[in-house]
Amino acid sequence: EVQLVESGGGLVKPGGSLRLSCAASGFTFSSYSMNWVRQAPGKGLEWVSSISSSSSYIYYADSVKGRFTISRDNAKNSLYLQMNSLRAEDTAVYYCARDVYVMDVWGKGTTVTVSS
Amino acid sequence: DIVMTQTPLSSPVTLGQPASISCRSSQSLVHSDGNTYLSWLQQRPGQPPRLLIYKISNRFSGVPDRFSGSGAGTDFTLKISRVEAEDVGVYYCTQATQFPLTFGGGTKVEIK
Repeated sequence: EVQLVESGGGLVKPGGSLRLSCAASGFTFSSYSMNWVRQAPGKGLEWVSSISSSSSYIYYADSVKGRFTISRDNAKNSLYLQMNSLRAEDTAVYYCARDVYVMDVWGKGTTVTVSS
Repeated sequence: DIVMTQTPLSSPVTLGQPASISCRSSQSLVHSDGNTYLSWLQQRPGQPPRLLIYKISNRFSGVPDRFSGSGAGTDFTLKISRVEAEDVGVYYCTQATQFPLTFGGGTKVEIK
C-alpha cells in the first residue's frame, strides 16, 4: 500500500525549532518529487516547500524562506522539514504529499503548535 | 504568484442533484511542456486532502465517475453529476505550473 506517515509535530515556543519527518512506503520514493503543505486551524491549504527526486531542485514559500529547510534521504525513504525561528503563524497541520505536479498521495498530517 | 479564485464559497446541494465549482487563475496555467497542471482536491471533515482530478480532467485512481473536470487556460470547472452524502467536504483547486504552488480558497459542499 502506498503510504506517507508524518511525525515530529508538537508544541514549541516562539523562536523554537522542530524537525518534521515523512516516512514513505509502498512506492519507489527516490523516483518522486515531494512536497510539504500546511493548513492552519480552520483555514485552507498553503504550500510550504518542494524538493525534486534527487534533491537537485528545492523551492520554498516566501513565508518560510530562510527559516525552514526541506531535505530527503532516499536510502531511508524519508522526507524532512527542519523548522527554525518558529512563529505563532506557523501553527498548522503539516502534510507531506507526493509529486509536485499532481500531489497524488497525502499523509494524515502532523500538528505543529507554536505558543508560549 | 498565480492567484487561484474559487466560486462559490459554499454550495448547498440536494442529494442526487449536480454541483459545479469554478476555479479561475490569474494567469494561464499552460506549462512550457504543454501540460496544464491544474488539479482538484477533496477534503472531507477531519481528513487529509485527497486527489480527485489532475491535469484538468484526468480522474485519479478510485475516484467515482460522477466527478469530472474541464476547462482550459485560466478557467476550470469541477462537476459532480449527482451529489452523494460522502461528497460533503471542502474542494480545492491547485496549480503546479509555476512556483510558488498555490491553492484556491476552497468551496464547501454541503447537503441541503
